[in-house]
Amino acid sequence: SQQGEEDPQALSIQEGENATMNCSYKTSINNLQWYRQNSGRGLVHLILIRSNEREKHSGRLRVTLDTSKKSSSLLITASRAADTASYFCATDAGYSSASKIIFGSGTRLSIRP
Amino acid sequence: DTGVSQNPRHKITKRGQNVTFRCDPISEHNRLYWYRQTLGQGPEFLTYFQNEAQLEKSRLLSDRFSAERPKGSFSTLEIQRTEQGDSAMYLCASSRGTGTGDNSPLHFGNGTRLTVT
Repeated sequence: SQQGEEDPQALSIQEGENATMNCSYKTSINNLQWYRQNSGRGLVHLILIRSNEREKHSGRLRVTLDTSKKSSSLLITASRAADTASYFCATDAGYSSASKIIFGSGTRLSIRP
Repeated sequence: DTGVSQNPRHKITKRGQNVTFRCDPISEHNRLYWYRQTLGQGPEFLTYFQNEAQLEKSRLLSDRFSAERPKGSFSTLEIQRTEQGDSAMYLCASSRGTGTGDNSPLHFGNGTRLTVT
């Protein structure tokens, strides 16, 4: 079963707007990662946030983590056409299997010119 | 860093045939993962290795699937007696793991797309 579930499943916004995607997970984690996938390609790592961190920034990306709610969000500011892709959160499977990385079902982001 | 390489990129096979895919990870990475992805879904965990040891295999996998990583370098994923439901993108990823729960980012290959006719 999926550890993480993203919301919304699909998002379409105008270029220049901000895009926010959410991820919920089920078990305790050591860290949470966000990945991006362009159509027909492998996934590319965007950012990793550890369980003792609450917020992390990387360029136009901002990730938050709320371990009490078992949720994370990815914010992309000032979106560009090149940001069109699917975005996935990934977590380890909890203390019993901490090296196994499980992905959610993803958010498909479309940026309209 | 030459990246993760997967071969072949595409494979078309008839139902009932066996197929084998190869993954060459980034050379200094000790962890290697296999995932399966169908259209519109996230990658589904299949199995992973730390060096040459296969540490976990998904319960979703039937006995028709097997993976190896001899000498902790490249890995192969074999599917025996393929079924149409096996049609998917098979993704390989590697990472440098330093301990339990200390997960470094995964580096993915571009996948092998399997079509079973």
